[in-house]
Amino acid sequence: QKEVEQDPGPLSVPEGAIVSLNCTYSNSAFQYFMWYRQYSRKGPELLMYTYSSGNKEDGRFTAQVDKSSKYISLFIRDSQPSDSATYLCAMTRSSGSARQLTFGSGTQLTVLP
Amino acid sequence: GAVVSQHPSRVICKSGTSVKIECRSLDFQATTMFWYRQFPKQSLMLMATSNEGSKATYEQGVEKDKFLINHASLTLSTLTVTSAHPEDSSFYICSALTGGNEQFFGPGTRLTVL
Repeated sequence: QKEVEQDPGPLSVPEGAIVSLNCTYSNSAFQYFMWYRQYSRKGPELLMYTYSSGNKEDGRFTAQVDKSSKYISLFIRDSQPSDSATYLCAMTRSSGSARQLTFGSGTQLTVLP
Repeated sequence: GAVVSQHPSRVICKSGTSVKIECRSLDFQATTMFWYRQFPKQSLMLMATSNEGSKATYEQGVEKDKFLINHASLTLSTLTVTSAHPEDSSFYICSALTGGNEQFFGPGTRLTVL
């Protein structure tokens, strides 16, 4: 079983829709959670970074963490064609100064104009 | 955010040759950099952790003699794929760790071995 599970999609939504992306994990040692956006043939860019359970909002993006269920989500409101990309969840353990990230497999999102 | 560059962005080489990929942190110093490999439609897999001034730490299953890592300065780490073969064709991505423990990724290097 993978440490981090993420539905690879592809997911296709109309412009303006609310998008929900999810990951589950099995290792309770994971304490820090991130969402990255990766455009085709580019490196990932950090979108959201959370530590506590609960919600964190940044513009159209909301990251949600439920440590008791080992489940994290990323919501995108008013989705735009420019949001079309692969979204990767990532997480890391609390120990160690070097953050070795464990990634989900990524969900490919297409927002149709 | 911090900027990380990679060079080259794309390389095509013949089987048996060696290829060097550079990863630079442009506006910050990074004592730790990471090297990842990503196959098509798959996630990033950590290959090794590169520490300035010391030997790299390789993940299980990654051949250290094949993937040579040198982190000679606080802004530069290099990955050399020695005697490359077609199965080494992949997207190689580096990241650099800031003082605030955030990872910023480079744009990636697409390696094609013929």
